[in-house]
Amino acid sequence: RKEVEQDPGPFNVPEGATVAFNCTYSNSASQSFFWYRQDCRKEPKLLMSVYSSGNEDGRFTAQLNRASQYISLLIRDSKLSDSATYLCVVNYYSNYQLIWGAGTKLIIKP
Amino acid sequence: EAGVTQFPSHSVIEKGQTVTLRCDPISGHDNLYWYRRVMGKEIKFLLHFVKESKQDESGMPNNRFLAERTGGTYSTLKVQPAELEDSGVYFCASSPSTGGTEAFFGQGTRLTVV
Repeated sequence: RKEVEQDPGPFNVPEGATVAFNCTYSNSASQSFFWYRQDCRKEPKLLMSVYSSGNEDGRFTAQLNRASQYISLLIRDSKLSDSATYLCVVNYYSNYQLIWGAGTKLIIKP
Repeated sequence: EAGVTQFPSHSVIEKGQTVTLRCDPISGHDNLYWYRRVMGKEIKFLLHFVKESKQDESGMPNNRFLAERTGGTYSTLKVQPAELEDSGVYFCASSPSTGGTEAFFGQGTRLTVV
């Protein structure tokens, strides 16, 4: 079983739709969580950190469920520019590695 | 402020040759990480420097890979001799402190071994 697993893609959704990604992690000792976004042939860039209380940034909402060991990302009113690969990342304080999911590709269609 | 820069952006080499990738982290960032993404797979951790010291190199695939960080500034990742399976995108990232902080990534070096 992979340490970090994401929904397989691609997700093809119409512009304006709401889309949700889930990510599960296997190590209960995981301490911090992030969603990164990677555009085609570009480097990953931080989209949001994920806090225990959940957090929102404009159209994006991230939530963490420690009991079930998953995090989620919700995108409302999707835009064409949201098309990218979304990467779930988990950090273990014990060794400071970032453990990456394989990514979910999102395609927003006009 | 300059971000993380990597050189070269692309490299095509023949099997058996040597390639050296370079990463310049954000000034003042003690932590430097190397990652690799091979086609169709997830990004994998290679190693982590804290200043000039290797904190964790558990992700290095084999002894053909050698990473250095002279004086705790820029880092190099040498592959010698390169094999076909080494092809992929090599990302470098830096962060100012460990644990729960954002890592800033370079644009990556796309390595193709033919």
